[in-house]
Amino acid sequence: EIVMTQSPATLSVFPGERVTLSCRASRSVSSNLAWYQQKPGQAPRLLISDASTRAPGIPARFSGSGSGTEFTLTISGLQSEDFAVYYCHQYNLLWTFGQGTKVEIK
Amino acid sequence: QVQLVQSGAEVKKPGASVKFSCKTSGYTFTKYYIHWVRQAPGQGLEWMGLINPSGGGTTYAQNFQGRVTMTRDTSTSTVYMELSSLTSEDTAMYYCAKDDGWYDCWGQGTLVTVSS
Repeated sequence: EIVMTQSPATLSVFPGERVTLSCRASRSVSSNLAWYQQKPGQAPRLLISDASTRAPGIPARFSGSGSGTEFTLTISGLQSEDFAVYYCHQYNLLWTFGQGTKVEIK
Repeated sequence: QVQLVQSGAEVKKPGASVKFSCKTSGYTFTKYYIHWVRQAPGQGLEWMGLINPSGGGTTYAQNFQGRVTMTRDTSTSTVYMELSSLTSEDTAMYYCAKDDGWYDCWGQGTLVTVSS
């Protein structure tokens, strides 16, 4: 099983700040990685697929990068609606998720 | 538009089984796998398995082998998941998700509570 490790577990930030979330795979997943946002009481929502492709309707302040085992999700200019939990998800070999990073208001 | 609509919340006793549904619409049902993902209270996402609506073939996560059964009804574009031998650790929100490699559409979730 490919283990996905996200860091940090929690990120406290001010609105307007730029944030970078990390996701590491225990072995290469090529670019077969997605990022999701989940707000309380809601299903996850796709943000990024194939490591760097924004899903339809996702604002340009969300960007993804990386390949192989190291990936990042960057949110440039955090808005109030962006405070949520973010999960990475590999679909290269079966499917596994990271444990999530909670982005909270500082 | 693409929609996945799941059945309502369930309350079950330990040792029982539960079966719930995910009705799809807005796309060709047989073209995309459907996955099931669960989330225990306050926890992360756990992949449970998938079904190929075209032929009914399934792949289950090792953690659920022998306890989970995924089926589909092509006449109603609906997939089902049954989980047996429930324990309190199965208390969770269960989501279905459409596979486009990644999950581009999710159901709203079915809350399963296991309690004596």
